[in-house]
Parts: sequence; C-alpha cells; structure tokens
Amino acid sequence: GAVVSQHPSWVICKSGTSVKIECRSLDFQATTMFWYRQFPKQSLMLMATSNEGSKATYEQGVEKDKFLINHASLTLSTLTVTSAHPEDSSFYICSARAPTGYRTEAFFGQGTRLTVV
Amino acid sequence: EDQVTQSPEALRLQEGESSSLNCSYTVSGLRGLFWYRQDPGKGPEFLFTLYSAGEEKEKERLKATLTKKESFLHITAPKPEDSATYLCAVQARAGNQFYFGTGTSLTVIP
Repeated sequence: GAVVSQHPSWVICKSGTSVKIECRSLDFQATTMFWYRQFPKQSLMLMATSNEGSKATYEQGVEKDKFLINHASLTLSTLTVTSAHPEDSSFYICSARAPTGYRTEAFFGQGTRLTVV
Repeated sequence: EDQVTQSPEALRLQEGESSSLNCSYTVSGLRGLFWYRQDPGKGPEFLFTLYSAGEEKEKERLKATLTKKESFLHITAPKPEDSATYLCAVQARAGNQFYFGTGTSLTVIP
C-alpha cells in the first residue's frame, strides 16, 4: 500500500507556543489530504480537508485560525496548532488520498501525540 | 445525512473462534466502503476497499463483504495478533470526505 509519513510522532510543548505537524505522501501524489483528531477510545474526528494549492475546508466547530493547514505541494501538508493550550492535547492523524482511476483509498500517517503542559 | 454505525463496540474471542464485525451505513451514493485496522497509539492501517454490493475481498484471516446497507468483516480462526480496533468508513460519490464509524475493539484471547 501507499506510504504516508507523519512527523513528529509525539511532541510536548508549553502552553501558548505553536506546534507544526508534517504529513508527507512518500510514494504517490496526494491531491487531497485530511486531518483528524482522535480522543482516547473514540473514532476519528475530521478537522479539515486540504487540497493542494487551495485553502483548507474546515469542519464545523474547528477554529481555522487556531489550526492552520497548509498543503503547499502534492506530497506535503502541515498542521500548525497555534497558541496551544492543554485542551488541545490529543492524537492528531493525517491521511492522504491517492486516486488512481476510480480507486480512492485514503492512507494514514502514524499519528502525532500532542501534549500541552 | 451520511452515517456509519459499527457493532459490536467490543468483542472478545477465544483464539480460533470465528466471528463477524458489522458496519451499517447510509450514504447518498456510495463511492467506496473502507475497512481499517488501528493499533493503540498508531494511525489506521488500510485493509480493504469495497465498491459495490456483492463484492468480497480477502486477506489472510479476514474477509470483507458488502451489501447495499452494510458490510461485514469476517474473522476466521483469529489469533491474538488480530487484536485491534477495526474501523469502517464510507465515502460518498459527491465530495471527498470519509465518514468513520466508532470502531469495534477486538480482543483475541490465547
């Protein structure tokens, strides 16, 4: 299957600082990338969808000024959590869609565990 | 409204005891139904895509089937290493979004 690399796998930051998470598709071009947040023992909550070269589409209730998403190339999307607070602590996961003909699977990165202290 | 419901929430099986996980969905025009496996602290790992009713896919001890309303993930003679959370997702023809269920947490006891 296609490989999506997410970095870092875990990060601890102080309250009020910003954290950037990178998501790279290593062996395919991803026109669409998705960012999710996952709380313990819960399913994935879609935060935003990003298409290369255009602004991200945020889900209702997600603050776009707090969660900055940049999809600058077909292989890289970044999520920046600005002015992080303890309530932003969570598991963040990206996925990239690799459409090949009619196929449309999304492949996931390893996830990033963010802890804000 | 597009929706995905998975059952049961949790399942405990003895090693070798076969069973099935259910994923019921409502979507306005199905583009694809996806099964993923997620281990604790990891991102979901892609297992299968099903596109149309009647389609079946197999991989080792896993077999996924699809009808117009639901999908089943059959696990034959499971082993402890099959323990994980299994997630189901659907994608509608209109739009890019994947709608995820809440998952089934499977524990296989040796």
